[in-house]
Amino acid sequence: DIQMTQSPSSVSASVGDRVTITCRASQGIGSWLAWYQQKPGKAPNLLIYTASSLQSGVPSRFSGSGSGTDFTLTISSLQPEDFATYYCQQAKGFPLTFGGGTRVKIK
Amino acid sequence: QVQLQQWGAGLLKPSETLSLTCVVYGGSFSGYYWSWIRQSPGKGLEWIGEIDYSGSTNFNLSLKSRVTVSLDTSKNHLSLKLASVTAADTAVYYCARSGPATPYYMDVWGKGTTVTVSS
Repeated sequence: DIQMTQSPSSVSASVGDRVTITCRASQGIGSWLAWYQQKPGKAPNLLIYTASSLQSGVPSRFSGSGSGTDFTLTISSLQPEDFATYYCQQAKGFPLTFGGGTRVKIK
Repeated sequence: QVQLQQWGAGLLKPSETLSLTCVVYGGSFSGYYWSWIRQSPGKGLEWIGEIDYSGSTNFNLSLKSRVTVSLDTSKNHLSLKLASVTAADTAVYYCARSGPATPYYMDVWGKGTTVTVSS
């Protein structure tokens, strides 16, 4: 199985901050990566797919980059509704696997 | 707007079979893959498996021997059965849709069903 490792596991930030989350795959996955946002008690919500494509309806302050084994999710200016947990997911091979999550907390 | 509504038994005893159903409202099965994913505090998000309109399936090998996924296209129902459950199967279970615009990425999710396995 392809292991996905996210860092940091949590980050404290203020409204307006730029936040960067990293995801590393245990082997090369090309651009087969997605990012999800999850709020407490809710299902994950797709933000980014194929590493850098913005899902319809997702604000443009979210962006993704990377290829191969190293990927980044950036929130350019953190908004109050962005405090949540973020997960990466690889789609290169079965089983589809997720990172352990990064919790974005209010500083 | 496509919505997934899911339900099933929330409390099971060890060795019983977990059975969940997911109904698709406002959309079709055709052209999409339909996945089951679970989330537990100990193991995070875990993909269980998927099925498409034709009945083609892919499974997580760690669960494959215990998992059955099926479609009832006449009712727009997706079903999951997980046999011989243990406490390790305690989790929130989600159904989700992927493709064709976002293959292997889940763009629509159900609200989740909490399943607890306890004697």
